[in-house]
Amino acid sequence: AQTVTQSQPEMSVQEAETVTLSCTYDTSESNYYLFWYKQPPSRQMILVIRQEAYKQQNATENRFSVNFQKAAKSFSLKISDSQLGDTAMYFCAFIQSGAGSYQLTFGKGTKLSVIP
Amino acid sequence: KAGVTQTPRYLIKTRGQQVTLSCSPISGHRSVSWYQQTPGQGLQFLFEYFSETQRNKGNFPGRFSGRQFSNSRSEMNVSTLELGDSALYLCASSFPPLGLTESTDTQYFGPGTRLTVL
Repeated sequence: AQTVTQSQPEMSVQEAETVTLSCTYDTSESNYYLFWYKQPPSRQMILVIRQEAYKQQNATENRFSVNFQKAAKSFSLKISDSQLGDTAMYFCAFIQSGAGSYQLTFGKGTKLSVIP
Repeated sequence: KAGVTQTPRYLIKTRGQQVTLSCSPISGHRSVSWYQQTPGQGLQFLFEYFSETQRNKGNFPGRFSGRQFSNSRSEMNVSTLELGDSALYLCASSFPPLGLTESTDTQYFGPGTRLTVL
């Protein structure tokens, strides 16, 4: 069974600064996808970024980038130029590729507060 | 395209009652997954439907059931409600894995249904 661990329950960052959220996972599979989802206080879960395990290049989406270390099973999220709207719960998630079923395994989440 | 919609957004029930939640996926999506979110347990997978068939089920009691209709809309039913069933229930939809596109294997979530059991 896959597990996803987010070791930082809460974090804070000053507006315009950079913050990194950690995520580690455990799997015996070689083909999978990793995601970071954001859940603002309004509760709508939003996809932030996704990474395919077969790709060595780290994914980036504007101010969001990941550091994917496959051998270490690590998948951290870096948020640059933090904005007040980045305040949210951030969930790291894993899905096995080609498993014939969509079942996301989530970490417990990191609550990020951006301070003005 | 319209996003994933869930109805109702809020529900208050009493113990022993049953409840039905509805989810309409993004147009063209054929997979619908359900998750339960609680402060203590986090996000837990309930089940996933694809083309009206349940493909996978999480570790929940039989009181939790679901179904999917031919238009891909899905319903989730919880019978004999318990206090511990109070949670945010999230629905997510996906494309089928017909090819390697940006949307493949990515789930898009609805706003959730907040269920309170008294």
